Amino acid sequence: DGGITQSPKYLFRKEGQNVTLSCEQNLNHDAMYWYRQDPGQGLRLIYYSQIVNDFQKGDIAEGYSVSREKKESFPLTVTSAQKNPTAFYLCASSVWARNTEAFFGQGTRLTVV
Amino acid sequence: AQKITQTQPGMFVQEKEAVTLDCTYDTSDPSYGLFWYKQPSSGEMIFLIYQGSYDQQNATEGRYSLNFQKARKSANLVISASQLGDSAMYFCAMREVIKAAGNKLTFGGGTRVLVKP
Repeated sequence: DGGITQSPKYLFRKEGQNVTLSCEQNLNHDAMYWYRQDPGQGLRLIYYSQIVNDFQKGDIAEGYSVSREKKESFPLTVTSAQKNPTAFYLCASSVWARNTEAFFGQGTRLTVV
Repeated sequence: AQKITQTQPGMFVQEKEAVTLDCTYDTSDPSYGLFWYKQPSSGEMIFLIYQGSYDQQNATEGRYSLNFQKARKSANLVISASQLGDSAMYFCAMREVIKAAGNKLTFGGGTRVLVKP
């Protein structure tokens, strides 16, 4: 089945540690996105990528980093510089055309203690 | 400035009645796309409906319709005949081309809908 897989579903980390969230898609989509969602809030764009080896900062990129070495994969690293990393993280992908919807993974809930 | 604004944080609607969720947007891209998504308590994002900036007709998908007023930069979602399963967060989103940065997909703050029996 084609889709987007985020892993793990739940992640606990100690404060000050870097952590990497995985996002893999087998939909052959060019574009991939990372969003952060706080409780009861909307989705805020962290980073997005249109093609391999290229990515752009979104609205809240500080404290995060990404890579796009393969079309299928777009991992997000939450660094120790992110002041409040506890949140729900969603990954999405889409074809390049503007009239097609983005497909989402099931999300990773990160808790930093 | 907010690109996508949803001014209703929460709404109650009676089962079987219609509800309208507001969405206004701001972009300088003449060729943009507008989307609505539903997020149940499970957290998954479910695509509902799409409207292109050049589309002449308002989009419809089953019980969902989009009231697109381009001059007012408004794209309100109408859910007809509400069902208990419609209780969820609803997000408006816009895809626009950012010069040298590709397609950017931005979401609003969401509206929580609770359908009462």
